[in-house]
Amino acid sequence: QVQLQESGPGLVKPSETLSLICTVSSGSITSHYWSWMRQPPGRGLEWIGYIHYSGSTVYSPSLKGRVTISLHTSKKQFSLKLTSVTAADTAVYYCARAFADGSSDYWGQGTLVTVSS
Amino acid sequence: QPVLTQPTSLSASPGASARLTCTLRSGFDLNDYRIFWYQQKPESPPRYLLSYYSDSSNHLGSGVPSRFSGSKDASTNAGILVISRLQSEDEADYHCMTWHSNAVVFGGGTKLTVL
Repeated sequence: QVQLQESGPGLVKPSETLSLICTVSSGSITSHYWSWMRQPPGRGLEWIGYIHYSGSTVYSPSLKGRVTISLHTSKKQFSLKLTSVTAADTAVYYCARAFADGSSDYWGQGTLVTVSS
Repeated sequence: QPVLTQPTSLSASPGASARLTCTLRSGFDLNDYRIFWYQQKPESPPRYLLSYYSDSSNHLGSGVPSRFSGSKDASTNAGILVISRLQSEDEADYHCMTWHSNAVVFGGGTKLTVL
């Protein structure tokens, strides 16, 4: 069973860069796609983007230009960087194993990131 | 107008069936879309339930009871999730999702109350 765990700062200042890591255990990272999603408090899910194990990426049009997803195969990790954050980026951020159609079967528990000075 | 629209809330009684809808924006052909459904309980990540494209192309997630099923309603351009024989443990938020214009889109989610 694949397990995923998000890690990173829980508080980020406005205009700075949000950086998160997802560590994959009990499974290979050299297959599938690997996604990031987020959920603002009390609201619905939003897809951020995903990376294929080959390194190719697809990002949400609404976040494109601010987001970078990278793969760190030797560490069995993939990462998210979101630049120029505002309060609107406050959310629980989830990483997940995904497929080409965007669906996800295994999810991390999520990590709350608050954007505030 | 969002690509996928879900009712904010729905209530149903234990033992009854709940029919959750996920309406695709007008102008887009539901026949071209696979609709995915996720269940999310408080303080937990979403759980994949199932996907539905057609009667011959649908998939139930691992460990998901057969009480959960998917379909489409062409008359309303909506994906449908039916939960039969409702149990208290089915009380949760339900999110629909699809792949549209080279990106994942989610509906806003429906809060299902079982009472």
